[in-house]
Amino acid sequence: NAGVTQTPKFRVLKTGQSMTLLCAQDMNHEYMYWYRQDPGMGLRLIHYSVGEGTTAKGEVPDGYNVSRLKKQNFLLGLESAAPSQTSVYFCASSRESPTGTGELFFGEGSRLTVL
Amino acid sequence: AQKVTQAQTEISVVEKEDVTLDCVYETRDTTYYLFWYKQPPSGELVFLIRRNSFDEQNEISGRYSWNFQKSTSSFNFTITASQVVDSAVYFCALSEAGTSNTGKLIFGQGTTLQVKP
Repeated sequence: NAGVTQTPKFRVLKTGQSMTLLCAQDMNHEYMYWYRQDPGMGLRLIHYSVGEGTTAKGEVPDGYNVSRLKKQNFLLGLESAAPSQTSVYFCASSRESPTGTGELFFGEGSRLTVL
Repeated sequence: AQKVTQAQTEISVVEKEDVTLDCVYETRDTTYYLFWYKQPPSGELVFLIRRNSFDEQNEISGRYSWNFQKSTSSFNFTITASQVVDSAVYFCALSEAGTSNTGKLIFGQGTTLQVKP
């Protein structure tokens, strides 16, 4: 049971470089999310998607872009990485809104360091 | 605005002790949902419980119990007879309900629980 898979698990970037984090889920979930986790701040929502072809901004969207071209994949892009984007990134998915019968299923996280 | 506060940054207990993790929330919604997630050292977040605002019954699941009190806007989590495997970061989270709901969760800062043998 793969669930939610994030790649890569670790990455080190230099300031100004770009990269893409890939999230793949095999549960046929409609909803997908990208969060970042920073010490003392819990998890904060970056972007989310309520279905294929749709995306929306979360709490901290600046400096990130996303795409949901296929239902099972949700990509998070950093066009020009900054040290402030050093964080652990979590992807999550849910069959429907967690306020229905579902819950968020999380990936294992991707640790990104920007030098 | 919605907000979740977990005032306890770190808690350390000795195995078999009971421990309560506090969660206080703020919301203007009359319908909302509260969650607890566990993040073990492996890093992945694990769902523990979901509660809706209309259900104030306490819940018990094995050594875990949850106390939801709307009057104090609290949703506290108690582990009875703690074990070393309970060592983790625990997050409380809040989600709004409604037709426009998108399932977004607002997380608290997390409480790191260390259970010593």
